[in-house]
Amino acid sequence: AQKVTQAQTEISVVEKEDVTLDCVYETRDTTYYLFWYKQPPSGELVFLIRRNSFDEQNEISGRYSWNFQKSTSSFNFTITASQVVDSAVYFCALSENSGGGADGLTFGKGTHLIIQP
Amino acid sequence: EAGVAQSPRYKIIEKRQSVAFWCNPISGHATLYWYQQILGQGPKLLIQFQNNGVVDDSQLPKDRFSAERLKGVDSTLKIQPAKLEDSAVYLCASSDTGNTEAFFGQGTRLTVV
Repeated sequence: AQKVTQAQTEISVVEKEDVTLDCVYETRDTTYYLFWYKQPPSGELVFLIRRNSFDEQNEISGRYSWNFQKSTSSFNFTITASQVVDSAVYFCALSENSGGGADGLTFGKGTHLIIQP
Repeated sequence: EAGVAQSPRYKIIEKRQSVAFWCNPISGHATLYWYQQILGQGPKLLIQFQNNGVVDDSQLPKDRFSAERLKGVDSTLKIQPAKLEDSAVYLCASSDTGNTEAFFGQGTRLTVV
């Protein structure tokens, strides 16, 4: 069975600091997809990134970067020069691929990120 | 492009009453999901539709929850009778065919008193 662990329940940093959100996953499939979603106070889940299990290249998008390491089953998310608007709950999620279609997402419990001005 | 629409946004009911939620996915999206998000937790998949067929409902409490997807477009999720532990946000999401990201609606916040 698949599982996603986000060990950090809450992180608080001062604006402009860098912060890394950890994500560890478990799956028996060789083909799977990893995601990060942001949930601001408004409640809507906002898609940030999707990664398939065959692509271990790190990715950078502006102030956001992701580090995928299959050897440690981790998919960590770093925000550089954090801003108050980054304050939200961030979820890591896993989707297994069985029979060609994406399965539903298995989410971690989320990390509440607080950026203090 | 219009996003996933859900209604109502909020609902308060007494235990043992019934309630229904509605979802309209992004146009053309074949896959539709219902998730339950209890306060302080990540969303949990309740049911997944591919067009109007059920792909996965293994975590749906079928003694009280039911869902349908009419003509492969809109979907309704019903709870009857509701329990206190059903208090949560119910999120609808949709995705295009294949392994693409899911887009979420704003959710319906249900409070059972």
